[in-house]
Amino acid sequence: GAGVSQSPSNKVTEKGKDVELRCDPISGHTALYWYRQSLGQGLEFLIYFQGNSAPDKSGLPSDRFSAERTGGSVSTLTIQRTQQEDSAVYLCASSLNRQRVFGPGTRLTVL
Amino acid sequence: AQSVSQHNHHVILSEAASLELGCNYSYGGTVNLFWYVQYPGQHLQLLLKYFSGDPLVKGIKGFEAEFIKSKFSFNLRKPSVQWSDTAEYFCAVNGDGGSQGNLIFGKGTKLSVKP
Repeated sequence: GAGVSQSPSNKVTEKGKDVELRCDPISGHTALYWYRQSLGQGLEFLIYFQGNSAPDKSGLPSDRFSAERTGGSVSTLTIQRTQQEDSAVYLCASSLNRQRVFGPGTRLTVL
Repeated sequence: AQSVSQHNHHVILSEAASLELGCNYSYGGTVNLFWYVQYPGQHLQLLLKYFSGDPLVKGIKGFEAEFIKSKFSFNLRKPSVQWSDTAEYFCAVNGDGGSQGNLIFGKGTKLSVKP
């Protein structure tokens, strides 16, 4: 497609449940990024994939968070045993050069 | 560690007023600098960027930003704002010495333009 797409757009879950968030990057973009946007906190870097290189996971806040990118395209961010503080908008971006294109985000609410 | 500070949390202006949003970063090496905008209900979009060259960068919709290396600043300006500029603005920095993935964002400045 023309842009980065993410699904679902909204996710409400109960504390302790696992969630999976999906990102479809722009075709041909080699880099993929996940960020978290919390109210009043700006954007927080989570993880970065570049081609076939090992991902930069330095931003993941805990071992409950993981992400994978299959076939150099679609990526899934998984949050295990969700906590209320995980509630945020999770943004995905992709790029071919240093210019990132952001998706619409997934709003996660943990009750 | 790199960090980005946006000094104004919320700016309220009337149409036709001039705008300047402050952005300061902490990183001693070569930096790439960005301003992103998020209009209500829309995606985060790139407004302008600085990689090298002329420190005065012009972006979309009449916005510009000036990189002042000695002040570690990259302030965003627009001579005359419109109601449609109401949005949240994020400054971001990526140091060349760091991971290309780690684009550090400021906490954002919400701009409200009164018609």
